Amino acid sequence: RKEVEQDPGPFNVPEGATVAFNCTYSNSASQSFFWYRQDCRKEPKLLMSVYSSGNEDGRFTAQLNRASQYISLLIRDSKLSDSATYLCVVTRPRYSTLTFGKGTMLLVSP
Amino acid sequence: DAGITQSPRHKVTETGTPVTLRCHQTENHRYMYWYRQDPGHGLRLIHYSYGVKDTDKGEVSDGYSVSRSKTEDFLLTLESATSSQTSVYFCAISVAGENIQYFGAGTRLSVL
Repeated sequence: RKEVEQDPGPFNVPEGATVAFNCTYSNSASQSFFWYRQDCRKEPKLLMSVYSSGNEDGRFTAQLNRASQYISLLIRDSKLSDSATYLCVVTRPRYSTLTFGKGTMLLVSP
Repeated sequence: DAGITQSPRHKVTETGTPVTLRCHQTENHRYMYWYRQDPGHGLRLIHYSYGVKDTDKGEVSDGYSVSRSKTEDFLLTLESATSSQTSVYFCAISVAGENIQYFGAGTRLSVL
């Protein structure tokens, strides 16, 4: 089982749609979880951290299920500017190293 | 802005030549990282540093070496570049007490 697995993409959605990304991780000792966003030919940037209680930032909601080792990201009311690749990221329990999923591309069309 | 500068931003080189990529940070962060990103593989950790002269290997360290002689600079060296090392290389830092990493703009390296 790969360390971090994400839905294969791309996801093509119209503006205003709700889209959900899923991610599973294999290391039960992982402590921190994140979603990063990466625009084409740019560096990854932190979108949001993911907490066990679930957390929301505007149109974005992240959830974590430690028992199932599952992370999700929900984007409501999609905007054209949400078009990007979304990376699921999990810590390795040593020296703050991170493991990245391969990413899921989102394409929002008018 | 985490104050990270990567140089060069683009480089084309020939197989067998040595290449050094530089990551420079201005905010005295202890932890620094080098990743490569390739289609179908995502970001993979090459080497990382947890202080001056303290470095360790990541998951894809073969063919790469690093040096950190001062806090602000973390160098990645390809001793003898191969075509399989054609990639986009990202440097990152993490802030003390956080697991969040912040990335530089990347270096696009082509080995012909």
